[in-house]
Amino acid sequence: GENVEQHPSTLSVQEGDSAVIKCTYSDSASNYFPWYKQELGKGPQLIIDIRSNVGEKKDQRIAVTLNKTAKHFSLHITETQPEDSAVYFCAAGDLNAGGTSYGKLTFGQGTILTVHP
Amino acid sequence: NAGVTQTPKFRVLKTGQSMTLLCAQDMNHEYMYWYRQDPGMGLRLIHYSVGEGTTAKGEVPDGYNVSRLKKQNFLLGLESAAPSQTSVYFCASRTSGRAVGGEQYFGPGTRLTVT
Repeated sequence: GENVEQHPSTLSVQEGDSAVIKCTYSDSASNYFPWYKQELGKGPQLIIDIRSNVGEKKDQRIAVTLNKTAKHFSLHITETQPEDSAVYFCAAGDLNAGGTSYGKLTFGQGTILTVHP
Repeated sequence: NAGVTQTPKFRVLKTGQSMTLLCAQDMNHEYMYWYRQDPGMGLRLIHYSVGEGTTAKGEVPDGYNVSRLKKQNFLLGLESAAPSQTSVYFCASRTSGRAVGGEQYFGPGTRLTVT
């Protein structure tokens, strides 16, 4: 099955700095790579995702890059703000129409991001 | 539109007791999932369902059972709780539509402690 490794486990930055979180995956059949943000006491919420036919996707201060050959993808947050402090999870899955994956995702271990004012 | 709700929010059980966690969604989603979240281990899939009356095992199914009698509800049962089942449990749902994205919508979680 799929195995997703996420690094670092904790990340501390100053407000205004950039933050980068990296993930690797093992199953070449994976074609969907979402990132979720989990605030304290809440469930994870999707912040950005990318499919394997795209190398990079950006949404305001957040961007995700994907290297299919190396099987790794990264989350980039620029101009960090204290409200970006949360746990971030990467995940990998297969959204192919003919498959039987049923949208299942394999999650990384999570990164605790702390942004200091 | 409440999204995904979970009941209860907190629960303390003694070893050997049983309980049922309820997940409800009002988005008419076909797929539903139960995860457990433990420190340093991310979210691990326990069981999932692709439609009313169907269930399947995920990555860590042992010690749990599930049922999906109605499309909007997905129940997770612990027949004989063990301390190793102390965790935060999350339910999620998503549409089966292939033309749309793969976003899973998560509930707020249930924190379960087994003593």
